[in-house]
Amino acid sequence: NAGVMQNPRHLVRRRGQEARLRCSPVKGHSHVYWYRQLPEEGLKFMVYLQKENIIDESGMPKERFSAEFPKEGPSILRIQQVVRGDSAAYFCASSPGGLTYGYTFGSGTRLTVV
Amino acid sequence: QKEVEQNSGPLSVPEGAIASLNCTYSDRVSQSFFWYRQYSGKSPELIMSIYSNGDKEDGRFTAQLNKASQYVSLLIRDSQPSDSATYLCAVMPPGAGSYQLTFGKGTKLSVIP
Repeated sequence: NAGVMQNPRHLVRRRGQEARLRCSPVKGHSHVYWYRQLPEEGLKFMVYLQKENIIDESGMPKERFSAEFPKEGPSILRIQQVVRGDSAAYFCASSPGGLTYGYTFGSGTRLTVV
Repeated sequence: QKEVEQNSGPLSVPEGAIASLNCTYSDRVSQSFFWYRQYSGKSPELIMSIYSNGDKEDGRFTAQLNKASQYVSLLIRDSQPSDSATYLCAVMPPGAGSYQLTFGKGTKLSVIP
């Protein structure tokens, strides 16, 4: 029973390149959430998706960031033209939906922009 | 603006003692509450959930909820050095189809051998 799978675990990009982060939720979970965490900081909500729909993207910068959760395949968080301030740990979580279910988190992707 | 507040710590307790972690939230109609543990460099791990006023026990962990006062706490009995981690409080507000958690910034716990 695989948990949330994120890849890559570590990603190094030069300023101006694109970063593409992937997340496969727990089998049977239809709700996916992306969070960003800076060192010694809390989890900052970015976006909440269900299959083929963005439910809430209020935490995601309107420029350079996009997210999708297609009918088939993993959820993708895409950061275009990365800058040093994008360096952080990006966590994906999934849940089956419902008030009594917490999230299952993936191991995260550590993005470093050089 | 929904907010979840935690004392950032660090909270230091001796091994074997009870560690008490507190959390307050601003949205008084929130219904579901969760505690996560996060070791340094790792991802958050769900350890407790609570939905009704009162206490809920699971092994050495007890979650306490008081909706009237808008606080939730986590007690760790017989603290061990392996409990040293950051503990995140998370709150789920009500709302049809919205299952988005708001996290506090976490309390760093250090259990001293």
